[in-house]
Amino acid sequence: GQNIDQPTEMTATEGAIVQINCTYQTSGFNGLFWYQQHAGEAPTFLSYNVLDGLEEKGRFSSFLSRSKGYSYLLLKELQMKDSASYLCAVRDKDYQLIWGAGTKLIIKP
Amino acid sequence: IAGITQAPTSQILAAGRRMTLRCTQDMRHNAMYWYRQDLGLGLRLIHYSNTAGTTGKGEVPDGYSVSRANTDDFPLTLASAVPSQTSVYFCASSDGSSNNEQFFGPGTRLTVL
Repeated sequence: GQNIDQPTEMTATEGAIVQINCTYQTSGFNGLFWYQQHAGEAPTFLSYNVLDGLEEKGRFSSFLSRSKGYSYLLLKELQMKDSASYLCAVRDKDYQLIWGAGTKLIIKP
Repeated sequence: IAGITQAPTSQILAAGRRMTLRCTQDMRHNAMYWYRQDLGLGLRLIHYSNTAGTTGKGEVPDGYSVSRANTDDFPLTLASAVPSQTSVYFCASSDGSSNNEQFFGPGTRLTVL
C-alpha cells in the first residue's frame, strides 16, 4: 500500500526554527509537495521537490531524498501566523497526490 | 469569481437524501479534483477529471458521482447520503504544468444525520 508518515503535532517557540519530517512509501514518485492549512481553511501550496536537495523560498525550505523516501520542511524565524497544519503529499506513478494526515504546528510566544 | 468557489459553505442533510456540491473555477484549468478531509486522516481523493468530458475514480469513490460537462464546473453528487459521508469536502484544480500545483476551494462542511 501507499503510505505517508508525518508527526501528528509539534510545538515551537516564536522566532525559533522547526523541522517537520515526512517519510513516504508510494507506487512510483513524481514529486513531493508541502501545503499549509490554517484551521477551517483550504490547503495552500508551499513547495515542490522532484529532485534531491534543498529548495529555499524565503523563511521556508524543503528538502528531498528520493533514495531514503524522506523529506522535511524547515521553517525559520517562526511567527505566530505560522501556527497551522502542514501537509506532505507525494505524486505517484498515476500522477495522483497521496496525502499525509498533516502535522499540526503550535507556535508559543 | 477569483480562483475556485464551492457551494454551499455548509449543509446539514438527512440520511437518504440526494445532495450536489458545486465547484466552479475561473482559471481555465484542465484538471479538477474532489477530496474529503476527515480528522486524523489525510485528504482522500474521491473523483477527478483530467479534462472536460472525462472523469476518473479516486481512492474513495463509492456513494459519489461526478460530471464534467465543461472546463469550469465539476459538481459532486451524493445519490443517497449516509452518516459516514459527514466530512469536509474540498474541490481543487490544476493546470497540468510540470509541478501540477493544486489550487483548493474553500471547502464544504457536510453533516449527514
